Amino acid sequence: DAKTTQPTSMDCAEGRAANLPCNHSTISGNEYVYWYRQIHSQGPQYIIHGLKNNETNEMASLIITEDRKSSTLILPHATLRDTAVYYCIVGSGGGADGLTFGKGTHLIIQP
Amino acid sequence: EPEVTQTPSHQVTQMGQEVILRCVPISNHLYFYWYRQILGQKVEFLVSFYNNEISEKSEIFDDQFSVERPDGSNFTLKIRSTKLEDSAMYFCASSTRVWQFFGPGTRLTVL
Repeated sequence: DAKTTQPTSMDCAEGRAANLPCNHSTISGNEYVYWYRQIHSQGPQYIIHGLKNNETNEMASLIITEDRKSSTLILPHATLRDTAVYYCIVGSGGGADGLTFGKGTHLIIQP
Repeated sequence: EPEVTQTPSHQVTQMGQEVILRCVPISNHLYFYWYRQILGQKVEFLVSFYNNEISEKSEIFDDQFSVERPDGSNFTLKIRSTKLEDSAMYFCASSTRVWQFFGPGTRLTVL
């Protein structure tokens, strides 16, 4: 089972920052937090990952709390194309380990 | 930008028939995966493959399933005798180590 808890759905206005929360209170010290998204029935798309420090790339920012029990994915200027299901996944540093997907958060960007 | 490709995009088969789903991972990637997503449900990990052998498999990946990397570019998933409940989207993924790149999926319909 997924080790994360996310809201089922969220709305955000186009152009605004979308902040997606995730709880992972049982995360182990060597486990990363990964974010993927799935647009309609397409293949999941990697967004960002982190261990302890906050991370930023061209798609998003990831804020991880100091106790690592929760995190927030931030899409700084949401567009209609960001409407998707967003998955927060906890796991080891990749390699042969499969990802355990939960139900994710359905983010709807409103025009 | 390199991408994972999958063929066919849609496969229809009769119950009991064998199917082979094909994937071309990103060329310098070392780890390969199959996932499935039954309509309306979560993405589920099936199997990972590294160094020409299975690294990890889930409970779903029973004796009816097999994977192969027949040459330097293709990665296949075979279902020996399909059941109605095998109807799903099947996603291939590959990675160098940390995050996974997913293909667009093959929709398998078992009649």
